[in-house]
Amino acid sequence: DGGITQSPKYLFRKEGQNVTLSCEQNLNHDAMYWYRQDPGQGLRLIYYSQIVNDFQKGDIAEGYSVSREKKESFPLTVTSAQKNPTAFYLCASSFASGSTYEQYFGPGTRLTVT
Amino acid sequence: KNQVEQSPQSLIILEGKNCTLQCNYTVSPFSNLRWYKQDTGRGPVSLTIMTFSENTKSNGRYTATLDADTKQSSLHITASQLSDSASYICVVSDGDFGNEKLTFGTGTRLTIIP
Repeated sequence: DGGITQSPKYLFRKEGQNVTLSCEQNLNHDAMYWYRQDPGQGLRLIYYSQIVNDFQKGDIAEGYSVSREKKESFPLTVTSAQKNPTAFYLCASSFASGSTYEQYFGPGTRLTVT
Repeated sequence: KNQVEQSPQSLIILEGKNCTLQCNYTVSPFSNLRWYKQDTGRGPVSLTIMTFSENTKSNGRYTATLDADTKQSSLHITASQLSDSASYICVVSDGDFGNEKLTFGTGTRLTIIP
């Protein structure tokens, strides 16, 4: 899991509540990412940010929001508009390695919404 | 649509035996192919990254191969250990340097039994 921390490891919320997942990295990486992992499916990109104060939507951004006020931090808010929020959420950061970007993942947060 | 397919979905082998996991992809343009190991409830950890010009790469007991012509990759694990029990995810990157998009396979769940 390197220098990426996600908290909490487990999170429980009632339907209709917004919830914010934390992601912090001390690797001095410029780019950060949020993915969602569901059973039987590959990881899907929610949002990504290549520099501070800038971020782009991924493939499944609806119902989510992010901010990137500091290089080290990239919090993800799961809003009440997200229809199926229960999932395993993974944060990643990357740096350039040769001709590609090596991505490092955090330990993940398992969110359960009932 | 870019796709990454992995086989088998799950595999059980005896400790000490070798095994090979398969990955087929239809991703264009191709930038690089990665193999990750993901322990249950944890974030993925990178094993190898291969670009178009590389057809084999090793990381300890893990050896990945890439055939860019047939769009196939394999991950060979030698002398398996109980700690190899995990999901192995094949990931293919497209796009240009600095603007890559990753397509994730659904993984092969490997179980090593004593």
